[in-house]
Amino acid sequence: GQNIDQPTEMTATEGAIVQINCTYQTSGFNGLFWYQQHAGEAPTFLSYNVLDGLEEKGRFSSFLSRSKGYSYLLLKELQMKDSASYLCAVRGSNYQLIWGAGTKLIIKP
Amino acid sequence: GAVVSQHPSWVICKSGTSVKIECRSLDFQATTMFWYRQFPKQSLMLMATSNEGSKATYEQGVEKDKFLINHASLTLSTLTVTSAHPEDSSFYICSAKPPLRAGNSPLHFGNGTRLTVT
Repeated sequence: GQNIDQPTEMTATEGAIVQINCTYQTSGFNGLFWYQQHAGEAPTFLSYNVLDGLEEKGRFSSFLSRSKGYSYLLLKELQMKDSASYLCAVRGSNYQLIWGAGTKLIIKP
Repeated sequence: GAVVSQHPSWVICKSGTSVKIECRSLDFQATTMFWYRQFPKQSLMLMATSNEGSKATYEQGVEKDKFLINHASLTLSTLTVTSAHPEDSSFYICSAKPPLRAGNSPLHFGNGTRLTVT
């Protein structure tokens, strides 16, 4: 079957760094996405990885290892507004997105 | 950037009535749109893939006669929840993918519709 695993909840301190991991087992791979979703709102796009390595975008970076079926989202200089759920999604062989359950990130002052 | 407009943002209806939710791509043509539902504290669940000019493709377990999808144009898809029941209360979100750069183009989401059935 197809499966995406990410931690249910994480807590971090304002100004610190946090890494949210995502492991996947899918039939086919055509890219991995990270989305941010604040409570009661639709997801917003953060990053896309299709090749191995690190993609950096300001305070956010995303890493992919296709051989390990593994990705992480790295958030630096955490701000209170970063408190949200972070969704990992993989585009499978039929180009449909398979979603993880999301990681709720709680930022404490 | 690409914008997807979803309407209404929230709706309260009585059990047994039908509710229509619209999803529009405002500055691009979307041959494919997706409909999701999301229960509190849970991830997105794909309900169906809406294809312009053809029948929607429903995910397993989603009743196509209850959740009617129409994608009559390249910029509009509608989801109608027929004979709504309280268990249909949920957050419904549509998304669309711009046709260019199909490999890495992310989905663009509407703001979602919170449906409450009383």
